[in-house]
Amino acid sequence: GESVGLHLPTLSVQEGDNSIINCAYSNSASDYFIWYKQESGKGPQFIIDIRSNMDKRQGQRVTVLLNKTVKHLSLQIAATQPGDSAVYFCAETSVQTGANNLFFGTGTRLTVIP
Amino acid sequence: DAGITQSPRYKITETGRQVTLMCHQTWSHSYMFWYRQDLGHGLRLIYYSAAADITDKGEVPDGYVVSRSKTENFPLTLESATRSQTSVYFCASSEISGANTGELFFGEGSRLTVL
Repeated sequence: GESVGLHLPTLSVQEGDNSIINCAYSNSASDYFIWYKQESGKGPQFIIDIRSNMDKRQGQRVTVLLNKTVKHLSLQIAATQPGDSAVYFCAETSVQTGANNLFFGTGTRLTVIP
Repeated sequence: DAGITQSPRYKITETGRQVTLMCHQTWSHSYMFWYRQDLGHGLRLIYYSAAADITDKGEVPDGYVVSRSKTENFPLTLESATRSQTSVYFCASSEISGANTGELFFGEGSRLTVL
């Protein structure tokens, strides 16, 4: 999962397997969570979001799970493909405070092995 | 082409010099943001703007100046660059506030090295 530090957490998976990327957040007031994907040399790209009134949300090949009790967020990628290799960031904010600042985690590097 | 573009993509400068990073978006999005990305810190918000002539500080605004005279442009200026400002800078835009949508559209980044 993500953590503050000089080294980026990494996850290596075999092509076709499912990937699970974890994220822990600390702000109890955060009520809106987003996952971004960043390919090498590019800007982050929105993947999926979830609000705190939900535990699970599905997109195309991706599922985000939210556990507010332990302040944990995960991104599941089904049938991982080489094109999924990237750094994945979780971000959080608080709709209630009207915040325009998304607080990003430090990222997890996903490498897909063909 | 429509989108969000940053320039320059790469810049090397010296300590004490002024540097301006440009950001231009063609979607007429109201909100624009500047983030810096450093290993171990993820992306941190420097400044954001809710509309033309409206700007506000983010998490790490010290040493930076922004302006937004036109909706489509949001330049970021380092008035006197320091080595600690060596980073990759990302501009982003969104149609509505980040609190209502987390979908920001990012540029490809400007890599700045301060010697």
